[in-house]
Amino acid sequence: AQSVSQHNHHVILSEAASLELGCNYSYGGTVNLFWYVQYPGQHLQLLLKYFSGDPLVKGIKGFEAEFIKSKFSFNLRKPSVQWSDTAEYFCAVKDTGRRALTFGSGTRLQVQP
Amino acid sequence: EAQVTQNPRYLITVTGKKLTVTCSQNMNHEYMSWYRQDPGLGLRQIYYSMNVEVTDKGDVPEGYKVSRKEKRNFPLILESPSPNQTSLYFCASSSRDSVSYEQYFGPGTRLTVT
Repeated sequence: AQSVSQHNHHVILSEAASLELGCNYSYGGTVNLFWYVQYPGQHLQLLLKYFSGDPLVKGIKGFEAEFIKSKFSFNLRKPSVQWSDTAEYFCAVKDTGRRALTFGSGTRLQVQP
Repeated sequence: EAQVTQNPRYLITVTGKKLTVTCSQNMNHEYMSWYRQDPGLGLRQIYYSMNVEVTDKGDVPEGYKVSRKEKRNFPLILESPSPNQTSLYFCASSSRDSVSYEQYFGPGTRLTVT
């Protein structure tokens, strides 16, 4: 079965620091990859997605992610975080055999002003 | 406005008392699903539906039922809730025609079973 690992469970950064959140998945075939964000008290929103093509994808609010097939990774990055980025971030993978998304356990990001 | 709605948003109940959490979407999506979110476990799929009258189990279906009698609605039924079903529940929908199968999530229902 597909599995998704997010190794950083809780990250604390100061404003303007750079961010990188790790995501690794287990499936070796064709995948669609997603990063979702959940702001406090709100529902999940899509940050960015990779389907095919350029492995460096750009999303909303200055976030980007790089798909590295050889490493089964899809790490999320942002060069300079803001206090408003405080949220929980989920990596999700969809393989071609399933409609469902498989989510990682999430990374809680806390940005200190 | 395109959205997925869930009701109620918060619910406290007792063990064994049947309850239903409703989910409705206004985007004419074929695919709908239910997830539960638990600390340290992320989101896990409970049930999904590919279209009206077509439902199937996800990864954690035990203790839950669903129905899909209309395209827009996908209620989650707990016939006899137990404390281990205390969780945050999300409904999601997507279009079958969406190339990337992006899912749209509802606001969540926080359920406490005592």
